Amino acid sequence: DIQMTQSPSSLSASVGDRVIITCRASQSISSYLNWYQQKPGKAPKLLIYAASSLQSGVPSRFSGSGSGTDFTLTISSLQPEDFATYYCQQSYSSPITFGQGTRLEIK
Amino acid sequence: EVQLLESGGGLVQPGGSLRLSCAASGFTFSSYAMSWVRQAPGKGLEWVSAISGSGGITYYADSVKGRFTISRDNSKNTLYLQMNSLRAEDRAVYYCAKAQSSNWYDLGSRWFDPWGQGTLVTVSS
Repeated sequence: DIQMTQSPSSLSASVGDRVIITCRASQSISSYLNWYQQKPGKAPKLLIYAASSLQSGVPSRFSGSGSGTDFTLTISSLQPEDFATYYCQQSYSSPITFGQGTRLEIK
Repeated sequence: EVQLLESGGGLVQPGGSLRLSCAASGFTFSSYAMSWVRQAPGKGLEWVSAISGSGGITYYADSVKGRFTISRDNSKNTLYLQMNSLRAEDRAVYYCAKAQSSNWYDLGSRWFDPWGQGTLVTVSS
């Protein structure tokens, strides 16, 4: 199985900050990497697919980059509604695997 | 609007069975592979199972293989997860989620959008 490791596991930031979350795969997954946002008590929401494609309706302050084993999710200017947990997911091979999550908290 | 609505969760004793359903609307159900993903309380996301659009191909995580069965009724636009021999570690919120093509082999389509609201399964005596 491909292991996905996110860093950091938690992060405190302020409104307006630029935030970068990283995701590393245990082997190359090309660009088959997706990012989700989850708020407490809610289902995950797709933000980015295929490493860098912004899902329709997602604000442009979210962006993704990377290929191979190293990927990043960047939020250019944090908004109050962005405080949530973020997960990466590889779709390169079965079983599908997710990172452990990055909890983004208000400083 | 694409919508997924899970049902069937509840409390079951260890060793018992439960069947989850996911009613889909707003899209051509048979044209998309579907998946179940679960989340134990306070934990991360774990992929459980997937099924092709036709229902002819199924996939399972090792943790549920032989105990869970995914199926679909395209005439009813409904996805199912039959869970047998339930264990305490199966306790989780179970989400159904839509993939992006009918073919689960299509690597570029194995991202999930949207997800249902989830249904809680508790395994306890």
